[in-house]
Amino acid sequence: DQQVKQNSPSLSVQEGRISILNCDYTNSMFDYFLWYKKYPAEGPTFLISISSIKDKNEDGRFTVFLNKSAKHLSLHIVPSQPGDSAVYFCAARDSGTYKYIFGTGTRLKVLA
Amino acid sequence: DTAVSQTPKYLVTQMGNDKSIKCEQNLGHDTMYWYKQDSKKFLKIMFSYNNKELIINETVPNRFSPKSPDKAHLNLHINSLELGDSAVYFCASSQVISGANVLTFGAGSRLTVL
Repeated sequence: DQQVKQNSPSLSVQEGRISILNCDYTNSMFDYFLWYKKYPAEGPTFLISISSIKDKNEDGRFTVFLNKSAKHLSLHIVPSQPGDSAVYFCAARDSGTYKYIFGTGTRLKVLA
Repeated sequence: DTAVSQTPKYLVTQMGNDKSIKCEQNLGHDTMYWYKQDSKKFLKIMFSYNNKELIINETVPNRFSPKSPDKAHLNLHINSLELGDSAVYFCASSQVISGANVLTFGAGSRLTVL
């Protein structure tokens, strides 16, 4: 039973354009959502987070949007750069157990 | 000056063997974790320790035994390795940022059981 889903395994975007990565969840007990970026042969690195009481959080080129009614979050990267090419994981924290449930990742390729 | 370092990076071994993966963090975090990423890319928590005490123990076979000699170290020992144990194992530590415990991961240890 996958509580956090990233339905697009891969995405290609032209440099300078917007990248939109999506994540859907089923558990209404999630209180925090985080995005991580992973390069090959490295561990995931934290990118940005959002609390369930907010609908938007912005940090430089990265913005995360949360739609609680649709149980959907998205990560926007504007403008996309070749260095953004990586696998992006969304993770949701269960407010009861404090455990994070990760999605299976979306591989973003930014074309120069 | 790596924040979370784990060794070895690669491990190839035969079924039935016992192996260990070591993890150290120099961030001063109180909480450390072991995660497993399987062939389907699911990243799942196995264990969590806070200040050397076990706080999360998922339904992991008891062939897996974590050990935390101090809050900067969390090692993972696996007995009687099976083919299904082949995966990438990530160590992590966490700190609270804006209410969320944010994980800092090591580079991973790829275990291949033949």
